[in-house]
Amino acid sequence: SQTIHQWPATLVQPVGSPLSLECTVEGTSNPNLYWYRQAAGRGLQLLFYSVGIGQISSEVPQNLSASRPQDRQFILSSKKLLLSDSGFYLCAWSRFSAKELFFGEGSRLTVL
Amino acid sequence: KNEVEQSPQNLTAQEGEFITINCSYSVGISALHWLQQHPGGGIVSLFMLSSGKKKHGRLIATINIQEKHSSLHITASHPRDSAVYICAARRGQGNLIFGKGTKLSVKP
Repeated sequence: SQTIHQWPATLVQPVGSPLSLECTVEGTSNPNLYWYRQAAGRGLQLLFYSVGIGQISSEVPQNLSASRPQDRQFILSSKKLLLSDSGFYLCAWSRFSAKELFFGEGSRLTVL
Repeated sequence: KNEVEQSPQNLTAQEGEFITINCSYSVGISALHWLQQHPGGGIVSLFMLSSGKKKHGRLIATINIQEKHSSLHITASHPRDSAVYICAARRGQGNLIFGKGTKLSVKP
């Protein structure tokens, strides 16, 4: 069976510090991978998606970047965090772009 | 106006009650998803449907393509059903457009 792991679960970082959130998927190959952010009082917002190694599409211009160094690994990064980067970040995968999404448990980021 | 609207925003029910959460969308879609977000934040996919009705245990999801409306029903609700329920519309092969969610609280 397929599983998705995301870490860290919670993170408190000062403004200007770097960020790295990691997501890995097990039990499948060549998944579509997604990073979503859920800000307080808002719906989920797609940040990045990837259909293959090294292939990253950005949906929203921002302070964040994503990388896919391996088939089942997706990393969300920032060189310098802003207060507005605070939120709940969710990694997800699907077999194809139009199929059911499977979510990780999320990472709650607080930037102080 | 959001492309995907959910109602109600918050819902409190007594254990055993029949619950309905509504989702309306203003765009053409290829599929509609219902998701459940637990208090800890993790999200589980409940249904993906493009027509008619689907049932899983006490959960039922329906969609009316002509009216651009979907409903999620929970029969014999239980406190463990307490969660945020999110509707998301998929446009073609594209990405999902999410509603803001309905927070359900079921009291014992």
